[in-house]
Amino acid sequence: AQSVTQLGSHVSVSEGALVLLRCNYSSSVPPYLFWYVQYPNQGLQLLLKYTSAATLVKGINGFEAEFKKSETSFHLTKPSAHMSDAAEYFCAVISDTGRRALTFGSGTRLQVQP
Amino acid sequence: DGGITQSPKYLFRKEGQNVTLSCEQNLNHDAMYWYRQDPGQGLRLIYYSQIVNDFQKGDIAEGYSVSREKKESFPLTVTSAQKNPTAFYLCASSITGGNLYEQYFGPGTRLTVT
Repeated sequence: AQSVTQLGSHVSVSEGALVLLRCNYSSSVPPYLFWYVQYPNQGLQLLLKYTSAATLVKGINGFEAEFKKSETSFHLTKPSAHMSDAAEYFCAVISDTGRRALTFGSGTRLQVQP
Repeated sequence: DGGITQSPKYLFRKEGQNVTLSCEQNLNHDAMYWYRQDPGQGLRLIYYSQIVNDFQKGDIAEGYSVSREKKESFPLTVTSAQKNPTAFYLCASSITGGNLYEQYFGPGTRLTVT
């Protein structure tokens, strides 16, 4: 079975500050990992994905994430927060075997203060 | 433009009534998925389909039904047996095979049952 834990349901940063959203996964097989962003009352948009190539993955809007197998983590970062980054962020995992559907974390709502 | 269409965006029903949520995609994807989103719980998988005329239960299938008669369409029926149907429902699709399991999401339907 696979699962995802996102630490911190709410994160608040100042505009221009570092954004760090945490994600830890549990998977019995090598995982594929994703970060999605959701703006209010909208669907999810893919930010980035890890599919066993480079461990440092760059995504859209200046976000990146690093896959650390030893820590079973896939934390999302952005060097400088922008007001438009305020949204909810979801980490998700899928394995290469068995059920090929995403398992999501509970989400982290990012607030950006001016 | 290719994408996923969900209609309507807002839906209101009386308790005890069945209701069908529409999901159409023109991405030529084989796989389609239905998720339910509740505040603080992330997204939970209701049903998924990897190919036409075949579908599998997800984690919370009780009180829901689906059909997959066409590649482009994957409607979800919320039956009166679903104890707490008020939620935001998201449809997604993806290709199958290879290592590209990223899912593309529709804009969602917010269902309110009173």
